Formats: sequence, structure tokens, C-alpha cells
Amino acid sequence: DAEITQSPRHKITETGRQVTLACHQTWNHNNMFWYRQDLGHGLRLIHYSYGVHDTNKGEVSDGYSVSRSNTEDLPLTLESAASSQTSVYFCASSEGRRGGTDTQYFGPGTRLTVL
Amino acid sequence: AQSVTQLDSQVPVFEEAPVELRCNYSSSVSVYLFWYVQYPNQGLQLLLKYLSGSTLVKGINGFEAEFNKSQTSFHLRKPSVHISDTAEYFCAVSEYDAGNMLTFGGGTRLMVKP
Repeated sequence: DAEITQSPRHKITETGRQVTLACHQTWNHNNMFWYRQDLGHGLRLIHYSYGVHDTNKGEVSDGYSVSRSNTEDLPLTLESAASSQTSVYFCASSEGRRGGTDTQYFGPGTRLTVL
Repeated sequence: AQSVTQLDSQVPVFEEAPVELRCNYSSSVSVYLFWYVQYPNQGLQLLLKYLSGSTLVKGINGFEAEFNKSQTSFHLRKPSVHISDTAEYFCAVSEYDAGNMLTFGGGTRLMVKP
């Protein structure tokens, strides 16, 4: 069965370190997204991609970067981790039809703690 | 830019009682509307979505939602809840022809008590 996976599921790191969170989907979807989930804020979009070599900034992109070198993967990098980036991170993918009608499929999440 | 407001952060309800989770949105253009559910320690999954046509949309697990354009609302309802419905529910919008970006509300935690 097709799926979307994230690794690691839990990560503890120190302030200032570079961290990369992996996201891998086997749906062959064009679109991929990264969100962070914080209490009271719901999910907020960090970065998104509509295809290979395409990346775009979302609402809360400062301090994060992504690259899309193939269809299956969209790794999220925290260049220099800060305590404010302690959160639960979700990756999602969608087929890529036009007009915003797609269902997004979510991974299980990565809980990141920055000390 | 669009925004989504979920008026209740927590909704406690007894098992077999009806429930309504409220969602209001603001947008200057036409939107598509979604409800997602997040069970404890899991990712989100789609409950239902409104794209066009009938304003009453039926989803999985007995949930339904009604789109009200004049009130810019998309409230989620279930006539009789089960313990297994305990979860966080998120309303989201996507603007027409603006890609597939979703804007989420803050979420409503539904707590079903025996």
C-alpha cells in the first residue's frame, strides 16, 4: 500500500545545531507540504513543493529550508535550531490536480525538542 | 488572505449525544472546505470536504457538515457520538485556483465521556 513516512519520530537536539527531518511518500504525488503543529495554532504551513526542483515558502518559513530532488522525498532542514522551533512537524502530500480540491495525506509526525 | 476560526477549543460530550463543532472562515474569493481528524499520536486524515454542489456533505464515521455561504460557516455534526470519536478536529480552507495550500483553524478537541 502507498504511504507517507517521517523519520525520526522523535528528536531531541541542542540550540544552534542543524537538524534534518525526512519525509518519504510512495503515492507518486506531485505536491508535498511541511507543517508545524503548536497548541492553539492548529497547523501552519512551513514550505511546500509542487514538483521536482520546485519549492515555495509558507506562512512560517524563517529558519527552515527544503529541497526536492525527486518525487518521493521532501526533507526539512532547520539551519540552526532554536527553542521556538520545538514543535510537532507533519509532512503531507497530494496528487497535484489544479484548483485546490486535492485531499492531503499526512504522515505520522515528528516530535522535535530543541534544548 | 483567508483565515479559519474554530470557536471552541474543547467540546466535552457524553456518549450517544449529538455534537456540533463550529467553523467559520473568511476569504475574499471562493474556497473549498475540509474537515480533518487527528486521533491521539497520529497524523491527520480527511473526514469530508466541500467542493461544490449540495451544501450538505457526508463523510466517514457518520459525520456530516453543512456549508453556509452567507454565514461563511462549515459546521461539523454527528447525531450520536462514540467514545472512539475522541480526537482533535481541524477545519481547513483552500482558495479556488490557488494551488493546494490549506489554511487550518486552531482545532477543537472533542472529548466523549461514557
